[in-house]
Amino acid sequence: GAVVSQHPSWVICKSGTSVKIECRSLDFQATTMFWYRQFPKQSLMLMATSNEGSKATYEQGVEKDKFLINHASLTLSTLTVTSAHPEDSSFYICSATQYRDIYNEQFFGPGTRLTVL
Amino acid sequence: QQQVKQSPQSLIVQKGGISIINCAYENTAFDYFPWYQQFPGKGPALLIAIRPDVSEKKEGRFTISFNKSAKQFSLHIMDSQPGDSATYFCAAHNQAGTALIFGKGTTLSVSS
Repeated sequence: GAVVSQHPSWVICKSGTSVKIECRSLDFQATTMFWYRQFPKQSLMLMATSNEGSKATYEQGVEKDKFLINHASLTLSTLTVTSAHPEDSSFYICSATQYRDIYNEQFFGPGTRLTVL
Repeated sequence: QQQVKQSPQSLIVQKGGISIINCAYENTAFDYFPWYQQFPGKGPALLIAIRPDVSEKKEGRFTISFNKSAKQFSLHIMDSQPGDSATYFCAAHNQAGTALIFGKGTTLSVSS
């Protein structure tokens, strides 16, 4: 149980285009999902917290107009990188929380490698 | 500021040896301490987690030791295998909030 999927697993796009990444909890409902960004050999950087049916909460320094997050259902959150530029190239990872044994455990998706040319 | 400090940054261990990764935290409100394992190009996978009311938790070859008074916790990998070569992240969680605070990671290499 507690499987999180992401689609696509990798994407290459031209500068100026928009890219949508999907995050799905496959076998559980997730009220809260998180989006992280990870640069090579670095830790995960929290970008935003996504709650079903409400606006996402962005971390300081993350442009909300650049990284659009939609959490339309209890099993799906999407991250859209708008007008992507080469500096947006990174590994994007989502996670979803499941309440287990009095704690909200986080389960991560496999990540999406974005390369902007 | 909420922080989780992780050391060492990298670790090389011989096959069959014990790998030890340490983490320290500052916020006493943290009440859940998971460890994640990440292979290159993959998302982190939950390895083992502990609560502050327990001093040790063991699952197979993986053990977390927790010292609440020192605000430190560590991951021990017994009988380390080449397949354990990965990056390990410690994290901390506050039930009052929901976001995990991650350490900077430790790259473990187990030589055969």
